[in-house]
Amino acid sequence: DAGITQSPRHKVTETGTPVTLRCHQTENHRYMYWYRQDPGHGLRLIHYSYGVKDTDKGEVSDGYSVSRSKTEDFLLTLESATSSQTSVYFCAISESVQGHEQFFGPGTRLTVL
Amino acid sequence: GESVGLHLPTLSVQEGDNSIINCAYSNSASDYFIWYKQESGKGPQFIIDIRSNMDKRQGQRVTVLLNKTVKHLSLQIAATQPGDSAVYFCAETHSNDYKLSFGAGTTVTVRA
Repeated sequence: DAGITQSPRHKVTETGTPVTLRCHQTENHRYMYWYRQDPGHGLRLIHYSYGVKDTDKGEVSDGYSVSRSKTEDFLLTLESATSSQTSVYFCAISESVQGHEQFFGPGTRLTVL
Repeated sequence: GESVGLHLPTLSVQEGDNSIINCAYSNSASDYFIWYKQESGKGPQFIIDIRSNMDKRQGQRVTVLLNKTVKHLSLQIAATQPGDSAVYFCAETHSNDYKLSFGAGTTVTVRA
């Protein structure tokens, strides 16, 4: 998975609790992305980062926040988890400004009860 | 809605036959297209890409065709093998954008 790890790999939590997912890369790539994957929707972009402390919203950013204090780490936080946020979350990295060749992590399966 | 989509959600193929996976896109400004393969329990993996100034590009056992007139993209897999069983996604972007838009995916099942 191109030097990308995600933690945890699986998590079950309750509605209303905060959750933080971590993406760690060893490739020193500038661009990092968080996606969610749901049946029938493919991959949808939540947030992305184009450098340390530089982030922006994707198409489904409501209820999520991100932080990037180091090149290698990109954190995704669900401020107050809801059942609609049950999903598989993927982190991706890219070194190209065009972002086309994105390398994906193994994913985190999150269940919100 | 999504700007990139696939014609069929599932495709069943006999081992050894050729597979053709189709994708339609609606954003005429997109100038870069990518195919990803996702095996069960794993993240998507880059297969092949094509720029809008090309009609065809070949890789190892795979060929991508682009028809800009009808906004259609296809992935052809030659001599399909059991290891080709996966979900295949097309994605599109524009040269001055570093975000990808993904289609919903086609699940390919290879029959022995």
